[in-house]
This record gives sequence, C-alpha cells and structure tokens, in this order.
Amino acid sequence: ETGVTQTPRHLVMGMTNKKSLKCEQHLGHNAMYWYKQSAKKPLELMFVYNFKEQTENNSVPSRFSPECPNSSHLFLHLHTLQPEDSALYLCASSPVNSNQPQHFGDGTRLSIL
Amino acid sequence: GENVEQHPSTLSVQEGDSAVIKCTYSDSASNYFPWYKQELGKGPQLIIDIRSNVGEKKDQRIAVTLNKTAKHFSLHITETQPEDSAVYFCAASKESNDYKLSFGAGTTVTVRA
Repeated sequence: ETGVTQTPRHLVMGMTNKKSLKCEQHLGHNAMYWYKQSAKKPLELMFVYNFKEQTENNSVPSRFSPECPNSSHLFLHLHTLQPEDSALYLCASSPVNSNQPQHFGDGTRLSIL
Repeated sequence: GENVEQHPSTLSVQEGDSAVIKCTYSDSASNYFPWYKQELGKGPQLIIDIRSNVGEKKDQRIAVTLNKTAKHFSLHITETQPEDSAVYFCAASKESNDYKLSFGAGTTVTVRA
C-alpha cells in the first residue's frame, strides 16, 4: 500500500486519441506532482500543484493538460500525443514546501502507437 | 538549475558484498537528499534520506554519507541480498525551490546469488 494510487497501470493509445491518467493520494498531503520517466534518464518533473493551484509547468507541451480538482486527486489529460511521449508517468505527493519525502505511485505505462 | 550526476549506471555485486552508489550535485544551497529504490513494475520508494545538518545516517544495512564541501553524497548497502536488486535514484532539493527534487539518472543494481 503506497498511499498513492494511479490508474490505469497500462495504457495503449493512438496519436489521435484522448485519454486521462488519474492519481489519488490518501496521505493528507497538499502538494502533488507529475513526472515522466524514460529509460536511462532522470525523472523529469512535469507539473506541480500546491493546494490545488499549479505552481510549476516545466515547459511541458500543451498536449499534456493537468487538472487538480482537490488536494487528493490529480489528473493528466492526454491528446494528440507523439510516439516519443511513450514512457512511465509517475504521480507523487508530499507536504507543501517541506523537506519531507515525496511518495510515489506505481505509475502508468503509456505506449503511443 | 540543480544538476545531479549519479555513478555507476550499473552495478553487479556478489550476494553478501557491499554496494556503493555515488552522486554529486551542483547547487551548494541544496540541503535535502533522499534515495529511492525502484523495483520492476513499481514506483520509486524512499529508502533513506539525509539533511545537510548531518554527515551520515544509517538504517540497518543501508547508510548514506554527505560531504557538503565536496557536494557529493553516497549510498552504502552492506551484506547485499537478492532482494536488493533494483534501480536506485539519488535526488537533491533546497528550500528556496520549494524542495522540488532533481534526480540522478539511476543505478541498476544486480545482486548475484
């Protein structure tokens, strides 16, 4: 039980499809994050939300659209993705502005055909 | 921004031997350094962290050392076991950046039985 749950675990989609990734945390945290993990590369921070407000957009293409309706839920809406977007997408949460550790979900493995 | 370099990228050790992973960071203001373990099909899990006010921290077979002057920190795993086989990531963060993590590229550790 990680405390951070991501669905779906695997997703295959075509470049013209629209899909959404979901993340839910039950740790009482107020900061949530989306990361992209590609093989042999450091985790890339995509978005940060503090108290439901987006505080970081790390130059992510607009085909990725995050949504944070409350401090416990985070979505990543996907549309018109490219093959290079195939990766593991990880969600994490932590207390806001704290040097307490981030807790990760198990990720969504995304494959773009 | 912060640049974290991690070495080696792969490490193979005999069961019972020790494993050491080293990371360097570029921003002298960084003051929080977590280590994560990622098993196949799972998200990264925190295994140990260290803050800049201490030089060493130990938790059973795992220890981390920090040299602020040289800007490097290391993970030591003693008496390695097959279940220690995984990818290990170091990271660094600082208060002025809201403790957003900058990750190393990871080390794939294989423990040979």
